[in-house]
Amino acid sequence: AQSVTQLDSQVPVFEEAPVELRCNYSSSVSVYLFWYVQYPNQGLQLLLKYLSGSTLVKGINGFEAEFNKSQTSFHLRKPSVHISDTAEYFCAVSVVDSNYQLIWGAGTKLIIKP
Amino acid sequence: ETGVTQSPTHLIKTRGQQVTLRCSSQSGHNTVSWYQQALGQGPQFIFQYYREEENGRGNFPPRFSGLQFPNYSSELNVNALELDDSALYLCASSLGGGNYEQYFGPGTRLTVT
Repeated sequence: AQSVTQLDSQVPVFEEAPVELRCNYSSSVSVYLFWYVQYPNQGLQLLLKYLSGSTLVKGINGFEAEFNKSQTSFHLRKPSVHISDTAEYFCAVSVVDSNYQLIWGAGTKLIIKP
Repeated sequence: ETGVTQSPTHLIKTRGQQVTLRCSSQSGHNTVSWYQQALGQGPQFIFQYYREEENGRGNFPPRFSGLQFPNYSSELNVNALELDDSALYLCASSLGGGNYEQYFGPGTRLTVT
């Protein structure tokens, strides 16, 4: 079975500082990897995805993530955060050739300090 | 292009009652997935419908049931509501047939008292 672990429930960071949100997954089969963002009282929005190819993927709002197969990680990074990045971030995987149901981490709250 | 919509936005029910939540998928999408997101947790997969047939189910009891209509909109029904059913219910649509990218609606916040 697949599982996703987001190692930090909250990450406080100063505005304009860099940030990394960590995600590790467990799977014995090939997976697709996703990061979603959820702003307060809103649904989920796709930030970026890894399907195959280059291990560094770029997404919206200046975010990027790196797939590391040996460490089964897919950490999300942004070089300079803004107050508008305050949200909860979810890492998710889906099994290739399945019905693509998403298996989610518990989420990381990004708290931007002015 | 219309996005995924869900209704109602919020509702409050009493334990033991039944509830129906609705979802309209994005134009052109034939697959709908439902997720339950309890407070402070990540979403949990409930089930998926592809072209009106159930196409996978998570670890939820049979009192959680669904339907997909010919226009690909969908309903989630929950019978015999329990307090632990209080959550945000999210609907996501996708093209299906191997398309992985899911587009989410804003969710329905269900409170069971």
